[in-house]
Amino acid sequence: NAGVTQTPKFQVLKTGQSMTLQCAQDMNHEYMSWYRQDPGMGLRLIHYSVGAGITDQGEVPNGYNVSRSTTEDFPLRLLSAAPSQTSVYFCASSLSRGGYEQYFGPGTRLTVT
Amino acid sequence: DAKTTQPNSMESNEEEPVHLPCNHSTISGTDYIHWYRQLPSQGPEYVIHGLTSNVNNRMASLAIAEDRKSSTLILHRATLRDAAVYYCILRDVSTGGFKTIFGAGTRLFVKA
Repeated sequence: NAGVTQTPKFQVLKTGQSMTLQCAQDMNHEYMSWYRQDPGMGLRLIHYSVGAGITDQGEVPNGYNVSRSTTEDFPLRLLSAAPSQTSVYFCASSLSRGGYEQYFGPGTRLTVT
Repeated sequence: DAKTTQPNSMESNEEEPVHLPCNHSTISGTDYIHWYRQLPSQGPEYVIHGLTSNVNNRMASLAIAEDRKSSTLILHRATLRDAAVYYCILRDVSTGGFKTIFGAGTRLFVKA
């Protein structure tokens, strides 16, 4: 199986534009999440989902929307891009409980000018 | 959510063992201790996890203190490919472990 896939790999946006970062997993994992990683920093949780139709906010949710209509897909929407959202975005998935490991995608590098 | 504390960086010689420490003094009884590593320009990669007992797998060993307030990731023979940032995190089983908090991690340098 492909694991966790993310598209696009790179994206440049102008301030005020909107876009959707795609994330998909083929492991039938219930839990999916989005993180951002700024240069030299650890990962910060943006939003997460514990199953289709259920989402919740993480540490830094402002400026981002998510939805989970299927088990496989968990897109992240930037409503009106700002330079402060320049970052690398990682999607992850795992079985639902904390005792299980998370699998991470390769990341999307986003630059907002 | 309980937090972890790790040194900013550590250095090791190739083919020597490496002990990466992590403090988690506010750990709760339902927190699993997870370790991940991140190679340059890649997403984090799972290394190992445990609850109370020491754990071994093909990548590393995890030694957990008896009071669970600290743990140590052990790489038995460091290679140049082990140069990465290592994150120690806690995932709470009772709440599903959903709000996983990553700190800045430990950057491991491996010298040839």
